[in-house]
Amino acid sequence: DQQVKQNSPSLSVQEGRISILNCDYTNSMFDYFLWYKKYPAEGPTFLISISSIKDKNEDGRFTVFLNKSAKHLSLHIVPSQPGDSAVYFCAASAVYGGSQGNLIFGKGTKLSVKP
Amino acid sequence: DVKVTQSSRYLVKRTGEKVFLECVQDMDHENMFWYRQDPGLGLRLIYFSYDVKMKEKGDIPEGYSVSREKKERFSLILESASTNQTSMYLCASSLFPTGSGNSPLHFGNGTRLTVT
Repeated sequence: DQQVKQNSPSLSVQEGRISILNCDYTNSMFDYFLWYKKYPAEGPTFLISISSIKDKNEDGRFTVFLNKSAKHLSLHIVPSQPGDSAVYFCAASAVYGGSQGNLIFGKGTKLSVKP
Repeated sequence: DVKVTQSSRYLVKRTGEKVFLECVQDMDHENMFWYRQDPGLGLRLIYFSYDVKMKEKGDIPEGYSVSREKKERFSLILESASTNQTSMYLCASSLFPTGSGNSPLHFGNGTRLTVT
């Protein structure tokens, strides 16, 4: 059973416009959410994170929004650039018995930003 | 900057061979992880280690083992390679155990393993 779902395998956006990548989760115990970006033939790199006590975190062109009641988070990239073309993974972790659990990843969304 | 180095970018092995995938990190992180990435399945955790000589099973440990003899090195072992282990293997390290928001995972560039 998927606990972290990225329902859109791919997304295509024009350069300069906004990219919105979505992620849904089922486990209400998740307390940390992260986004990773992966280029072909490279390992994923950490992009941005958000704690469950917040509803927004911003870092330059990247903003992550968290809606706990809907168990939904989204990554906004504004403005989108061709160099943003990559696979984006949503990940989450929860606290079990006082210890933070391991990250659970979604299946990824491939973003293509067209010049 | 954290550097996680995987010794091979590409490997081709035959069914039944014993395969070693090596990973070294240079940031003195205690926590190291092995994932595999497959199309449509995302990243799945195979094994992780919180300390030297310590190992814990992840979500898909079957067919794999690991070795952590030194803090900086974490090896993934395929005891008898099978075709369904053809995949991209990613090693990662982190300062804290989970790779959560205040201590994200740092990944190597991956090893593309093909088992024929």
